Amino acid sequence: EDQVTQSPEALRLQEGESSSLNCSYTVSGLRGLFWYRQDPGKGPEFLFTLYSAGEEKEKERLKATLTKKESFLHITAPKPEDSATYLCAVQANSNYQLIWGAGTKLIIKP
Amino acid sequence: KAGVTQTPRYLIKTRGQQVTLSCSPISGHRSVSWYQQTPGQGLQFLFEYFSETQRNKGNFPGRFSGRQFSNSRSEMNVSTLELGDSALYLCASSPGQLLTNTEAFFGQGTRLTVV
Repeated sequence: EDQVTQSPEALRLQEGESSSLNCSYTVSGLRGLFWYRQDPGKGPEFLFTLYSAGEEKEKERLKATLTKKESFLHITAPKPEDSATYLCAVQANSNYQLIWGAGTKLIIKP
Repeated sequence: KAGVTQTPRYLIKTRGQQVTLSCSPISGHRSVSWYQQTPGQGLQFLFEYFSETQRNKGNFPGRFSGRQFSNSRSEMNVSTLELGDSALYLCASSPGQLLTNTEAFFGQGTRLTVV
C-alpha cells in the first residue's frame, strides 16, 4: 500500500537554528514528490516537486532533497515567518492521485 | 491574477442533509481537484475533473460527487451528511491534469461542520 510518513510531528526552533524535516514514502513507482506549506486557515501553498533520486531544489531558506525512500526539507537560518505546517505528498506511476503525509508543524521562535 | 475561490468559507449542516460546495479555478486552468482535510486523516484526495470529465477518484463513498462546468468551475456535493463528514474541503486547480505533475494551486477551503 502506498504510504507517506512525515517526522517529526512538530518542531520548535529558535530563529536562525537550522534543521531538517523528513518525509518517508513507500510507493510502487514514484512519479513525483511534492512539498507544500500550509498556514492556519489557508490552503496548501506549493513549494517543490522532485522527480528522481539525487534531485535537489532550493527556494530562499528552503532546500528539498530526494532519495529512493525519503525526502528532506532543509531549512537554513529560519525566520518566524517560516512557521507553518509543511506537507509532503507523493504521486505514484500506477495512480495519479496525490497521497499526503500528516505534516510537520514548524514553529520558529524569535 | 485571481487565485482559486471557494464558496462558502464556512457551513453548518445537520446530519442527513445534503450540501454543495463551489470552486472557481484560476483563469485558464482546466483541472480541478477536491480534497478532504481532517486532523485525524490529513489530506485525502476525493476526485479530479478535467475538461468536464472526472479523471481520477479517491476512496470515498458514492455520497460524495462532483461536476465541472464548461468554464472549468466545479461543484462538489455530499448527500446524506454524516458527523464524520465535518472537515475542511479544499479545491485545487492546475493548468493540466494531475498526471502531468503540474503544480496545484489551492483555495482557502470550505469549513463544513455537521451537527
